[in-house]
This record gives sequence, C-alpha cells and structure tokens, in this order.
Amino acid sequence: AQSVTQLDSHVSVSEGTPVLLRCNYSSSYSPSLFWYVQHPNKGLQLLLKYTSAATLVKGINGFEAEFKKSETSFHLTKPSAHMSDAAEYFCVVSEGGGGTSYGKLTFGQGTILTVHP
Amino acid sequence: EADIYQTPRYLVIGTGKKITLECSQTMGHDKMYWYQQDPGMELHLIHYSYGVNSTEKGDLSSESTVSRIRTEHFPLTLESARPSHTSQYLCASGDRDSYTFGSGTRLTVV
Repeated sequence: AQSVTQLDSHVSVSEGTPVLLRCNYSSSYSPSLFWYVQHPNKGLQLLLKYTSAATLVKGINGFEAEFKKSETSFHLTKPSAHMSDAAEYFCVVSEGGGGTSYGKLTFGQGTILTVHP
Repeated sequence: EADIYQTPRYLVIGTGKKITLECSQTMGHDKMYWYQQDPGMELHLIHYSYGVNSTEKGDLSSESTVSRIRTEHFPLTLESARPSHTSQYLCASGDRDSYTFGSGTRLTVV
C-alpha cells in the first residue's frame, strides 16, 4: 500500500524568503510523485512530477523538488516566495506497476502556504 | 481550454433527492477517478475506473455509485442525498504519469 505524509499543515514565510514544504511517502513499488497546488476556489494545478528520471525535478513558477529514495522524501522548495504562491499544496504518490494500487493517486493531507509582505 | 469537464459547478439540493454528477474527458484516458474533498482537507479517493465497464471502490467509503459505459464519461450518482454528503467532488483522468483534474462540483445538501 502507498501513503503520503506532509509534515506541516501550515507554513508561513515572508515574501522573498525560501519556501520548504516537506513530504514523505511510502510505496511498495517504484512510485511516481507529484506536487499539486490548489488556489482558493480553483482547480488542482500540477506543479511538477517525478517519474524515475532525474531526481531533481524542476516545475512551474520556480518550484523544484528532489526525490530522495533513501529518505523516502520528496520535499518542495522555492528560493524566493511570491505573494501569488499563497495556496494549498498537495504531495501525491502514484504506485508503480505490479502493485494493487497501480495508477491510483494518493494525496497527502495538504500544506497551506501563507506569504507575508 | 479544459480537457476534463465537470457539471454542475455548484449544486444545492434537498435531502432525499437523487443526483448525478457528470464528468467527461476528451483525452482518451482509460483511468478515471472521483475524489471527495472537504474544505481545507485532503482529497480522498472514493471511486476509480481502469476502463470501460471497470469500476472500483476507493480508499474512503462512499454511498455513491459510478458507472463507466463509455471511455470519456464517468458519472457519479447519489440515490438519496443527505447533509453528510455535502462536500466538493473532484473528477480526474490520466495514466501513470499524467493526470488532469476537473474544476470540481461543490455539493450542498440541505
């Protein structure tokens, strides 16, 4: 079975400072990992995804994430926060082939990012 | 232009009514999913499908049912709506590495 844990329910940063949103996962088979962002009253938007290629993944809007198999982590970072980054962020795992959960997306609990001026 | 469509966007309905939430996608994806999301909470998988005539229960128990008669269409039905069904319902389609989400249906049962 697969699971995702987002270690912080809320993160608050000042504009221009770095952002770190933490995510740990468990999966029986080679997973694909995603970060989605959800702005208030908007749909889910894909930020980036890891699919067993390069472990450092670059996404949209300056976000990136590093897949660390030894730590079972997929933390999301951005060097400099912008006011428009304020939203809820979800870490998501999709289990690889061979498992009963193949193709199913499992969401983390979400992290609400607040950006102060 | 959206590739996955959910209707209605908002629905307020009385207790005991039968409702169907529509979801259609134009990408030819075999896999489709329904998620339930309460405000400020995580998404819970309630149904999924691997293709035509395939439907499976998700991780969260739900009184709703789904059908998959056509590849592009994955409607969700509640036979008798209750206030406890008030939530946002998100539909998604995709394959292992690419998923697209609809804008959701915000359901309120009064």
